[in-house]
Amino acid sequence: GESVGLHLPTLSVQEGDNSIINCAYSNSASDYFIWYKQESGKGPQFIIDIRSNMDKRQGQRVTVLLNKTVKHLSLQIAATQPGDSAVYFCAENKETSYDKVIFGPGTSLSVIP
Amino acid sequence: DAGVTQSPTHLIKTRGQQVTLRCSPKSGHDTVSWYQQALGQGPQFIFQYYEEEERQRGNFPDRFSGHQFPNYSSELNVNALLLGDSALYLCASSEQHRGVMELFFGEGSRLTVL
Repeated sequence: GESVGLHLPTLSVQEGDNSIINCAYSNSASDYFIWYKQESGKGPQFIIDIRSNMDKRQGQRVTVLLNKTVKHLSLQIAATQPGDSAVYFCAENKETSYDKVIFGPGTSLSVIP
Repeated sequence: DAGVTQSPTHLIKTRGQQVTLRCSPKSGHDTVSWYQQALGQGPQFIFQYYEEEERQRGNFPDRFSGHQFPNYSSELNVNALLLGDSALYLCASSEQHRGVMELFFGEGSRLTVL
């Protein structure tokens, strides 16, 4: 069945360091992989997505890497800031399922000032 | 431009009761999805509405039902509440275009069932 999961439930990094959040997925038929950020008391917020035919995509301070061979997705955050502290979810979507997004369990990122 | 708004923000119900949660999508968005998020877990897809019809449904019982109105706003109804229905209920809206998988989420309705 479909599932998206994370290797590490918690991650602590020093302010200014780079963060890497990892995710494993099992549905190789997914067309999109997406990262969301959820701050305490708020709904998830879209960070970046990547199509399944790509292996890397960069945004502002964030990079998503997709390795379809080992079904692995990662989110890299450069120069991590205290405002990056949140729970990060990887998620996936199939184009034939419209905007139905399947979320993984999440990784909590804590930035140490 | 208001984002996705949900009401109420918090509510407490007892087992067996019924609840209605409401959602107004982001301006210009015609698709509304509902998610259930238990504490410490990722959001789970309940169903999605487009053109006032349920287009997709996740693995949730018939006790969970919804509606979309002509102005694209939506309601989630849960009947015969169980303790396990306690969760944060999130509404997300989107436009019907491809290329970016950007769902816009509201801040959720926190339901506690006693």
